Amino acid sequence: QKEVEQNSGPLSVPEGAIASLNCTYSDRVSQSFFWYRQYSGKSPELIMSIYSNGDKEDGRFTAQLNKASQYVSLLIRDSQPSDSATYLCAVKHSSGSARQLTFGSGTQLTVLP
Amino acid sequence: DTEVTQTPKHLVMGMTNKKSLKCEQHMGHRAMYWYKQKAKKPPELMFVYSYEKLSINESVPSRFSPECPNSSLLNLHLHALQPEDSALYLCASSQTRTSGSGPEQYFGPGTRLTVT
Repeated sequence: QKEVEQNSGPLSVPEGAIASLNCTYSDRVSQSFFWYRQYSGKSPELIMSIYSNGDKEDGRFTAQLNKASQYVSLLIRDSQPSDSATYLCAVKHSSGSARQLTFGSGTQLTVLP
Repeated sequence: DTEVTQTPKHLVMGMTNKKSLKCEQHMGHRAMYWYKQKAKKPPELMFVYSYEKLSINESVPSRFSPECPNSSLLNLHLHALQPEDSALYLCASSQTRTSGSGPEQYFGPGTRLTVT
């Protein structure tokens, strides 16, 4: 059973702080990792993808991948109330259909003004 | 253009009705997906089409019938649904790389389905 685990939260941070969202996965040979943001009542929006060990930065977002530890994280700098949403970690595995993603249960983030 | 569109936005149907959900993308993607999402749960894969052929059916009940008329369109035909089928139905599309990094899946806005 391929698993993706996230802290369900809720995670609350004050405006302007760094929000840190974490995700672990069980399939050691997973290749691709994605972070989706989902506002209440809306569909998931892809905000970051990462494929290699290390950091990948895009604006206020930084994704970090450590394949040895089977760990991927998302940092949101200078958090804004508009960042309040559920963040879904998704992993593409190497076996089975290469187009299948496994989603974590999501972390609910609240940024307090 | 990373847009996937879905119609209708909302749908209320009785258990004896037949209805269809529609999805369209113009990104040149050749893989399209149907997901079901219940409240406070992650999306749950239902079907995958690759090059207009059904490649994955995640043991979905036959009251859900997918169709891919061409590379841009995906339909989900609904018949004799149950109240527990009420959910957000999401369409997504992606490229069809099967090795290496990616592919990224892009979701449409979803159809909120209520079965009465």
